[in-house]
Amino acid sequence: AQTVTQSQPEMSVQEAETVTLSCTYDTSESDYYLFWYKQPPSRQMILVIRQEAYKQQNATENRFSVNFQKAAKSFSLKISDSQLGDAAMYFCAYHQSYNTDKLIFGTGTRLQVFP
Amino acid sequence: DARVTQTPRHKVTEMGQEVTMRCQPILGHNTVFWYRQTMMQGLELLAYFRNRAPLDDSGMPKDRFSAEMPDATLATLKIQPSEPRDSAVYFCASGETHKVWSTDTQYFGPGTRLTVL
Repeated sequence: AQTVTQSQPEMSVQEAETVTLSCTYDTSESDYYLFWYKQPPSRQMILVIRQEAYKQQNATENRFSVNFQKAAKSFSLKISDSQLGDAAMYFCAYHQSYNTDKLIFGTGTRLQVFP
Repeated sequence: DARVTQTPRHKVTEMGQEVTMRCQPILGHNTVFWYRQTMMQGLELLAYFRNRAPLDDSGMPKDRFSAEMPDATLATLKIQPSEPRDSAVYFCASGETHKVWSTDTQYFGPGTRLTVL
């Protein structure tokens, strides 16, 4: 069965600095998607970034980028130039590309941003 | 700006009462999901539909929960009778099915925060 592990329950960063959130997953599949979702205090689940496993190039969305290491089954999120509004829970999620619609979530990392 | 909408955003009710939560998926999305989030269990998939047909409701307590999709623009989740342990945030999400039997990206609504006293 596929699993997603986020080993950092909490992280903190100073405004304007860079922080990296870790995520590892376990799967025997070769075709899948990986996601990072952000959940601020409002509780809204916001899609931050999406990576397709067959693409070697790391996905980037403005200040957010990933380091996707397929062989190591690692999918970390880097937030550059951190802003106060980045403070939130961040969830890593895995989705197999076929025969299922289920997202498998990690337990989340709470990110605090200090001025 | 297409987004999933959910109503109500907050609901406080007493044990034994019926609760109905509604979701409007993003126009054109054919797959709709219901999740529940609690501190103890995290995010749990309760049920989901494709083209309005239920595909999986194995995560849902069958005796008190029911989910329906009366039309392509409305999904409902009902709890009857409600219990204090049902207190949670309930999320609806929608997506498009691009590959066979698979929805690659899910977009979440703002959630309904339910408190059962």
